[in-house]
Amino acid sequence: DAGVIQSPRHEVTEMGQEVTLRCKPISGHNSLFWYRQTMMRGLELLIYFNNNVPIDDSGMPEDRFSAKMPNASFSTLKIQPSEPRDSAVYFCASSFELSRGEAYEQYFGPGTRLTVT
Amino acid sequence: DQQVKQNSPSLSVQEGRISILNCDYTNSMFDYFLWYKKYPAEGPTFLISISSIKDKNEDGRFTVFLNKSAKHLSLHIVPSQPGDSAVYFCAASATYNTDKLIFGTGTRLQVFP
Repeated sequence: DAGVIQSPRHEVTEMGQEVTLRCKPISGHNSLFWYRQTMMRGLELLIYFNNNVPIDDSGMPEDRFSAKMPNASFSTLKIQPSEPRDSAVYFCASSFELSRGEAYEQYFGPGTRLTVT
Repeated sequence: DQQVKQNSPSLSVQEGRISILNCDYTNSMFDYFLWYKKYPAEGPTFLISISSIKDKNEDGRFTVFLNKSAKHLSLHIVPSQPGDSAVYFCAASATYNTDKLIFGTGTRLQVFP
């Protein structure tokens, strides 16, 4: 299996521009997670989906952030407009949830390093 | 409000010695704990986990200890190897929502020869 695939690996953009990060989860996994890693806060969960439905988006910092999962094999995280404080590494992870409360480990992608100037 | 805390941002250990990484949590509803390991330019990878019904779980050189009364867990690596040099994240979840993992800020371990 190719594992969780994220693109792009690096993104440099100017403040005010729209940024779209992409994720392809592991085939067969039914839960998908978006995290942000910063030095100060470590790994923060932004949003997660189960069976393509957003379950918890309480970690999304502002309305500038949005995430979609149109099908089981693709998800996007969009920032519009981007700001310098959004600079971080964004990870996507997937897992298989047997039933509510019985989830297996999360597998992480390599991350997208976002720099907003 | 950090519910999972790793108070040591870095740790340096000599090869062959024991590495002890610590993690504290505040939410008494947490009952499943995991350690992830992260190399530069890669995503975190699962290392070992422990459920609250246990106080110890061992996997080769890695052992996780859980002290529920103190809300504290630790990861022991014996013997430490240079390849163990990485950032280690502690994570926790509550039974009512196993999907949602709360991560700490990480501890960078360096194992030197």
